[in-house]
Amino acid sequence: GDSVTQMEGPVTLSEEAFLTINCTYTATGYPSLFWYVQYPGEGLQLLLKATKADDKGSNKGFEATYRKETTSFHLEKGSVQVSDSAVYFCALYRWDAGNMLTFGGGTRLMVKP
Amino acid sequence: EADIYQTPRYLVIGTGKKITLECSQTMGHDKMYWYQQDPGMELHLIHYSYGVNSTEKGDLSSESTVSRIRTEHFPLTLESARPSHTSQYLCASSTPLGQGESGGYTFGSGTRLTVV
Repeated sequence: GDSVTQMEGPVTLSEEAFLTINCTYTATGYPSLFWYVQYPGEGLQLLLKATKADDKGSNKGFEATYRKETTSFHLEKGSVQVSDSAVYFCALYRWDAGNMLTFGGGTRLMVKP
Repeated sequence: EADIYQTPRYLVIGTGKKITLECSQTMGHDKMYWYQQDPGMELHLIHYSYGVNSTEKGDLSSESTVSRIRTEHFPLTLESARPSHTSQYLCASSTPLGQGESGGYTFGSGTRLTVV
């Protein structure tokens, strides 16, 4: 079955550092890929998405490129802020698989001033 | 702006009590979901619905039950709460998507349940 694997956290960075959170997936066909963010005490919010190979999703300074050859969708940001401290979830969606999202285990990011 | 609402946000309740967690959405989405989120952050799907009068169990076995009498409403009920039910419960909704379409889920803010 489909699966998503994320790097384990917590990831602790200083403000303005470069961020990478790794995400790899296993799925047949052509899934869409997502990053969700969960701020403390809140539900998940869609951060960015990509629907086909080589697409780059971007939002709020975050970027991720859909790499079919390496089955990856790594999240990056050039300069993190304290307000980026949150839990990040990678997910995949296949339209032909019951319209369900498959989530990774989440990665907690802590940014220190 | 949230289009999916969960109430209450926080609930502390005694063992053995019956509770209902409310979830409502105003987007007309057919599919709705309940997730249980443990302290380690991982999301566990406990129930979902394809539409009115449709309910299915998710990947994680749960003692809770759900109903879907109206499109916009998907409440979750625990008949007899236990300390092991202490967790964060997240509700979400989505529309079925066809090939080539992308999308995702819209989540509520969650209910943090503590059973003492």
